[in-house]
Amino acid sequence: QQPVQSPQAVILREGEDAVINCSSSKALYSVHWYRQKHGEAPVFLMILLKGGEQKGHEKISASFNEKKQQSSLYLTASQLSYSGTYFCGTELDSGGGADGLTFGKGTHLIIQP
Amino acid sequence: DAMVIQNPRYQVTQFGKPVTLSCSQTLNHNVMYWYQQKSSQAPKLLFHYYDKDFNNEADTPDNFQSRRPNTSFCFLDIRSPGLGDAAMYLCATSREGEGFRYTFGSGTRLTVV
Repeated sequence: QQPVQSPQAVILREGEDAVINCSSSKALYSVHWYRQKHGEAPVFLMILLKGGEQKGHEKISASFNEKKQQSSLYLTASQLSYSGTYFCGTELDSGGGADGLTFGKGTHLIIQP
Repeated sequence: DAMVIQNPRYQVTQFGKPVTLSCSQTLNHNVMYWYQQKSSQAPKLLFHYYDKDFNNEADTPDNFQSRRPNTSFCFLDIRSPGLGDAAMYLCATSREGEGFRYTFGSGTRLTVV
């Protein structure tokens, strides 16, 4: 039940926008987004719960389409610090919230000056 | 600052020699997770504790065990490490009041020689 992330990799110029998608074949309770830099632990970005939410944090926002069981992460006016691997983690609706996340394979984001 | 601390940061062990990794938290979160992350792969859930209740993933090898003596501490024991167990081991915590968002520790990078 690993979620499918796309694209696998993105190369952008500083200031450009990016969209990363995460989809599941099963009903989800929540979708989490994390960013991980090489050799470091993942860092929490945001969480979206079933019911369909859209959340924003400065220039990073996300949405969750419950009908499609798909979440998208939006990076606006990307900065060099946005480089890293982005993982979505999903919790199935049958889990109730604390059964542990299953992470997608990640999207490698490279921001060039 | 409240946080999740993993020790040691780097661990080298011999093939077949038992090793223990530790995780402590000052967040008073009731759920603690252990993830294994191999190079360029997504974190993979090994097991988690919901309070004192232990939940093992079906595909976690018997070679991996865990202990949670109290709310603050959780240990990962690898009884007979093999070369394939070399990985980053991530501890994460969460609690219901925050939608089960994860706080990750810095990880322990395990090398098996």
